[in-house]
Amino acid sequence: NAGVTQTPKFQVLKTGQSMTLQCAQDMNHNSMYWYRQDPGMGLRLIYYSASEGTTDKGEVPNGYNVSRLNKREFSLRLESAAPSQTSVYFCASSVGLSEKLFFGSGTQLSVL
Amino acid sequence: DQQVKQNSPSLSVQEGRISILNCDYTNSMFDYFLWYKKYPAEGPTFLISISSIKDKNEDGRFTVFLNKSAKHLSLHIVPSQPGDSAVYFCAASGGDNNNDMRFGAGTRLTVKP
Repeated sequence: NAGVTQTPKFQVLKTGQSMTLQCAQDMNHNSMYWYRQDPGMGLRLIYYSASEGTTDKGEVPNGYNVSRLNKREFSLRLESAAPSQTSVYFCASSVGLSEKLFFGSGTQLSVL
Repeated sequence: DQQVKQNSPSLSVQEGRISILNCDYTNSMFDYFLWYKKYPAEGPTFLISISSIKDKNEDGRFTVFLNKSAKHLSLHIVPSQPGDSAVYFCAASGGDNNNDMRFGAGTRLTVKP
């Protein structure tokens, strides 16, 4: 039972490049989330999907887009990366909104 | 706007002693509080939670206390073990925007043998 799987684990981008972070969960959870973790800031919600077919903005959505491909998969896209998006990104899932979260192992992204 | 605050970036305790991690919140509408534990290069994992209708919840060596009037919660670990060394995040949800679980900045706990 893999839980929440994120790819890639590490990525280096140049300013202006685009990329997609992939996330999949095998726990049959309804809700999925993307967070970023920055020093001294804790985890901040970028986007979430309450259920398949819906997505909503979180606390820091600017510069990102998401797709809930199906119940299992929730991807995060950076269309034009900026140095301010250098961070550790975590995908998470839960049975229902704002219930106990299960996290992936994270993606370390550096934008030069 | 940090609605959940962990004012101690780090804490060091001796093995076998009590560890007390503190968390304050500003939004009185929060009704569900959680603690997560994070090891390096891993995602956070759920540790313990408490709903606002309770003031204490215990799970083995871990106890969370909630003081709603002070908008304060704490995590007690007794006895502390070296394997407890990790970053601990406090989180809260509920209220106006029930979809946004807010996290504190984390406290790094070091338990010395």
